[in-house]
Amino acid sequence: DAGVTQSPTHLIKTRGQQVTLRCSPKSGHDTVSWYQQALGQGPQFIFQYYEEEERQRGNFPDRFSGHQFPNYSSELNVNALLLGDSALYLCASSLVAEISGRNNEQFFGPGTRLTVL
Amino acid sequence: DAKTTQPPSMDCAEGRAANLPCNHSTISGNEYVYWYRQIHSQGPQYIIHGLKNNETNEMASLIITEDRKSSTLILPHATLRDTAVYYCIVRSNFGNEKLTFGTGTRLTIIP
Repeated sequence: DAGVTQSPTHLIKTRGQQVTLRCSPKSGHDTVSWYQQALGQGPQFIFQYYEEEERQRGNFPDRFSGHQFPNYSSELNVNALLLGDSALYLCASSLVAEISGRNNEQFFGPGTRLTVL
Repeated sequence: DAKTTQPPSMDCAEGRAANLPCNHSTISGNEYVYWYRQIHSQGPQYIIHGLKNNETNEMASLIITEDRKSSTLILPHATLRDTAVYYCIVRSNFGNEKLTFGTGTRLTIIP
């Protein structure tokens, strides 16, 4: 049973560029959440996708956008990269609460380390 | 989501029980207490969660006070591999609510 996978593992970009990060959820999961973790901080929620729609969003600018595909995989896109976007980007998958009941914990992937120069 | 307060760091001797406290005095009736840990440079790992009863699984035990304003995560026999940052999170289980992470407790297991 494959867990959450993310690609690439590491990425180096320059300011102003655009980046796309990818996530495949754990088998059987239908909901994908994205988090940003700056060095020394806890993860911060970016947004969540379910049924190919953005369902929740954290306090991140419109430069951060996403997409979910029919197979439940997801992409995170960041435009006009800033130095402050350097972070570990984490993807987490879960099963919608209406089906999983109280056991809708989120399972995290290993993350993508983005460095903006 | 209710906020949580955790000590920034703790040490524990290998083989002893590690007891990690968390205060969540503003927790509401439909919010669960979740614990995750993050080993260096890896994604957070789910440990356990509970509503009001004590919970135990193969990784840990969770003790929630009767008034639900605080909880303790117990790792019964800590090993060096338990060295990590431990996050206590309160979260409603309705509608796949996001996880709101604080800064957690950095637990160091001492050989």
